[in-house]
Amino acid sequence: TQLLEQSPQFLSIQEGENLTVYCNSSSVFSSLQWYRQEPGEGPVLLVTVVTGGEVKKLKRLTFQFGDARKDSSLHITAAQTGDTGLYLCAGTPGTDKLIFGTGTRLQVFP
Amino acid sequence: KAGVTQTPRYLIKTRGQQVTLSCSPISGHRSVSWYQQTPGQGLQFLFEYFSETQRNKGNFPGRFSGRQFSNSRSEMNVSTLELGDSALYLCASSFPSETQYFGPGTRLLVL
Repeated sequence: TQLLEQSPQFLSIQEGENLTVYCNSSSVFSSLQWYRQEPGEGPVLLVTVVTGGEVKKLKRLTFQFGDARKDSSLHITAAQTGDTGLYLCAGTPGTDKLIFGTGTRLQVFP
Repeated sequence: KAGVTQTPRYLIKTRGQQVTLSCSPISGHRSVSWYQQTPGQGLQFLFEYFSETQRNKGNFPGRFSGRQFSNSRSEMNVSTLELGDSALYLCASSFPSETQYFGPGTRLLVL
């Protein structure tokens, strides 16, 4: 059973376009994290959201935690080729284990 | 501060063999977690060690085992390798918060 479903699975866009990635669950999470992973490397933490309804901005990236703390979204404004990678959400649904989402593979073309 | 290091980076083994992977956490980090990443199953938790004790375990068969040393370095072992064990094995360290810092991974290919 996959607790964290991400959509879309794949996204292929041109530089300058905007995009949104979703992370959904039927479970409540005390916090959710977003990671980006590039080929040949491990995931790198981008942000942690803790409070329901919280919005965090990291330059062109905007992260939102759902009011009920069951879902989160990542919005990228004016995507750049350097944004290419695998985006993963992750959280701990009441246990100590960190559960990762199914992943969204983003390809940004020049 | 040096990041998480994993050795070796690449490994080719044949079915039935065993393999040992190593992870050196960030200095001062006492928790080390291991994950398996495959295209089909994504990133799955294997186990976590804290102060030389296994604190959590994922749903993997007993062929997967690990340990942690007093200097927080960790090893994981996979015995009787199967083709399906081909994957990227990631190690992550953390202390004292939940933020995990990942190493670059060891890519294992089982032939």
